[in-house]
Amino acid sequence: SQQGEEDPQALSIQEGENATMNCSYKTSINNLQWYRQNSGRGLVHLILIRSNEREKHSGRLRVTLDTSKKSSSLLITASRAADTASYFCATDEGSNFGNEKLTFGTGTRLTIIP
Amino acid sequence: DAGITQSPRHKVTETGTPVTLRCHQTENHRYMYWYRQDPGHGLRLIHYSYGVKDTDKGEVSDGYSVSRSKTEDFLLTLESATSSQTSVYFCAISDRDRRYGYTFGSGTRLTVV
Repeated sequence: SQQGEEDPQALSIQEGENATMNCSYKTSINNLQWYRQNSGRGLVHLILIRSNEREKHSGRLRVTLDTSKKSSSLLITASRAADTASYFCATDEGSNFGNEKLTFGTGTRLTIIP
Repeated sequence: DAGITQSPRHKVTETGTPVTLRCHQTENHRYMYWYRQDPGHGLRLIHYSYGVKDTDKGEVSDGYSVSRSKTEDFLLTLESATSSQTSVYFCAISDRDRRYGYTFGSGTRLTVV
């Protein structure tokens, strides 16, 4: 079963606009991660936010985490054509002593229109 | 992707035949994973390993087995391939401290006819 559910499933915006994707999950987590997948390629890790963190930045990416609502958002600012990809959230439910594995959502397909 | 390779990249096989996919890493990471990716399902975990000879099942393990005899290699075997196992298979690795997320291979596209 999927732990993370992304919303929306698909998003199209003009180049230069900001893109926001949301992720909801069901159980307590150790951390939440976001990945990007270009068509026909493997997933690339973007950012990791721990359960005791509320916001994290990396370049044009901003991730927030609300553990009380079991939700996260990924904001991509000043979008570029190269940002066209699928974006997945993934939750790590394991303890710090093992049983570490990620559960992925079904993804948001982002299309940047030049 | 740097440090992790999957082979083969593409394979077509017949129903009922055994198939083995290989994942090789050069990062000396403890954790290795096999996922399958299907439209509408995202990535689903098949099996994972937390050390040599230490493996465990994921959510879609039926019909699959794995082996890890060396830190660098994690093999996924479809014991008797079925059409429902047509998918793209991804291997991933993770370090012990889980600070940097997973590194994924480029995937194996498997078609069972």
